[in-house]
Amino acid sequence: TQLLEQSPQFLSIQEGENLTVYCNSSSVFSSLQWYRQEPGEGPVLLVTVVTGGEVKKLKRLTFQFGDARKDSSLHITAAQTGDTGLYLCAASGGSNYKLTFGKGTLLTVNP
Amino acid sequence: NAGVTQTPKFQVLKTGQSMTLQCAQDMNHEYMSWYRQDPGMGLRLIHYSVGAGITDQGEVPNGYNVSRSTTEDFPLRLLSAAPSQTSVYFCASSEQGARYGYTFGSGTRLTVV
Repeated sequence: TQLLEQSPQFLSIQEGENLTVYCNSSSVFSSLQWYRQEPGEGPVLLVTVVTGGEVKKLKRLTFQFGDARKDSSLHITAAQTGDTGLYLCAASGGSNYKLTFGKGTLLTVNP
Repeated sequence: NAGVTQTPKFQVLKTGQSMTLQCAQDMNHEYMSWYRQDPGMGLRLIHYSVGAGITDQGEVPNGYNVSRSTTEDFPLRLLSAAPSQTSVYFCASSEQGARYGYTFGSGTRLTVV
């Protein structure tokens, strides 16, 4: 069973601060995705990374896939209250039907 | 496009009752999946389908059935509800499969009493 460990589990910061959340595993993945989930809604795909060392940017969000394709990080610059939510990493291994999810990082950005 | 539509949004069942959670997508996606989300457990795969007429079990399939008669619809059936099935259920679809990411519905919150 592939496990994804996310850290921290909870994060509360002030608007304007920077933050990084992590997603780690002992397994190698063919791709890794980040989702954001708001209360009462389903996860929404933010990004997919497939190449070791890959970096993708989405406005103030920067995603990195580790060189060995076992870990990833999400960095948010100048956080806004609208960034509040549950951030989930998910990875695809050898099959193309199953995603393994981490338990998430619950981010609260205070005004 | 509506994306992935799940109904109902909320449901309360008595132990032993059966019901069907509906899921429909209008994106012509071949891959569809059902996940359940529980506190402290994350999202776990119940069943999945890679096309009409093709389904298979995920991590936690016991107590659930699925069928895929059309590309658009992928209903999840609870055969005899148990309190352990109290959860939030998400249906998801993908054009190219898990490697490229899924589009999720807004979920069904199920309580079994």
